[in-house]
Amino acid sequence: AAGVIQSPRHLIKEKRETATLKCYPIPRHDTVYWYQQGPGQDPQFLISFYEKMQSDKGSIPDRFSAQQFSDYHSELNMSSLELGDSALYFCASTGPGLAGGPTGELFFGEGSRLTVL
Amino acid sequence: DAKTTQPNSMESNEEEPVHLPCNHSTISGTDYIHWYRQLPSQGPEYVIHGLTSNVNNRMASLAIAEDRKSSTLILHRATLRDAAVYYCILRAGFQKLVFGTGTRLLVSP
Repeated sequence: AAGVIQSPRHLIKEKRETATLKCYPIPRHDTVYWYQQGPGQDPQFLISFYEKMQSDKGSIPDRFSAQQFSDYHSELNMSSLELGDSALYFCASTGPGLAGGPTGELFFGEGSRLTVL
Repeated sequence: DAKTTQPNSMESNEEEPVHLPCNHSTISGTDYIHWYRQLPSQGPEYVIHGLTSNVNNRMASLAIAEDRKSSTLILHRATLRDAAVYYCILRAGFQKLVFGTGTRLLVSP
């Protein structure tokens, strides 16, 4: 079965550079979530989208932006990268319908590992 | 977001049952109890969820206390592949998942 696809899987950037992570949800899933997981930490919610509109926002820095496109894939753009942005970034999808419904199961990708030097 | 409390870590032997507890004394009537787990170097994966009644699926069982202030995830026969961090999460309606500090399960052969 198709899973959530994230690219790139690994990314190395210098401080103050920009990075873009991509997420391709499972077909028919219209809700996408982004999470950040620092070393030894638990996943932290960043932002979510439903039907191409932002549906919720967490502790996402102003330097980060994201959007969901007409084909439901999503991109997380990170600018002015800092050492502290080094983390695993997970995308999850669910649906159809907002959040997959009250009991919707989230399907997570394998993550994109960002290293900022 | 309603809070959950889980032990930091638990140990088990392979092929033995494992009971992972979760306390959620401030749970509201509309909160579903979700369990996810995260294997090393992988994204979290769904395990099971419930509202009031006990639930079973191919991965695990979920036992929910009558007052819903606690629940227990039961792995009937632990395998080495079950070694992971297990997260107990309360989710109401269409809210995002909020991960707290889960339980790291160690499984010994």
